[in-house]
Amino acid sequence: QVQLVQSGAEVKKPGASVKVSCKASGYIFTSYGFSWVRQAPGQGLEWMGWISAYNGNSNYAQKFQGRVTMTTDTFTSTAYMELRSLRSDDTAIYYCARDHSGGSYELAYWGQGTLVTVSS
Amino acid sequence: DIVLTQSPGTLSLSPGERATLYCRASQSVSSTYLAWYQQKPGQAPRLLIYGASSRATGIPDRFSGFGSGTDFSLTIGRLEPEDFAVYYCQQQGISPTFGPGTKVDIK
Repeated sequence: QVQLVQSGAEVKKPGASVKVSCKASGYIFTSYGFSWVRQAPGQGLEWMGWISAYNGNSNYAQKFQGRVTMTTDTFTSTAYMELRSLRSDDTAIYYCARDHSGGSYELAYWGQGTLVTVSS
Repeated sequence: DIVLTQSPGTLSLSPGERATLYCRASQSVSSTYLAWYQQKPGQAPRLLIYGASSRATGIPDRFSGFGSGTDFSLTIGRLEPEDFAVYYCQQQGISPTFGPGTKVDIK
């Protein structure tokens, strides 16, 4: 069965960077892409961007352009999301989610979420 | 970016009742690119509907999606206790966005 397991919670200071991992199993890794979605405490869902596990092509939300980098490692079937220049309003749960079908942005499988807290 | 508006913000109903949730887009969305998700407290969202009206794997047939253009809806035929949750619509254009959510709570 498809599983996405994310790295553990992080506490960062303003201005720092965070890198969250998402290890996939149960399917052919390169056949699908990943979106990253975040959810601030008590708030709704915010799409951050997408990366193809096949060729590394990416599409970032304009809000995060220049501050986010998404990558994949096909050898370990792991997707990564790095967010730089952290601010307090970046405090959120960050989810990775796999496409429902290759190249779509319908999110059929989700990781458990990684809480990132930004605080001085 | 396409802005999605969901209504109502909160829907208070009893188990067994029918729920209808609405999602309106600021510009036309291809039906192929409209999805609905359910999220329970402390859990990741779950895909319910994709392509505006297709149920995802394992989703009960009491969940139905409708709509086209700028107006979409999700109907839950008869609410089960496990259906009380927050529901989000999502459009999957070039820059996907989510609606703010509708909370379905127990009356």
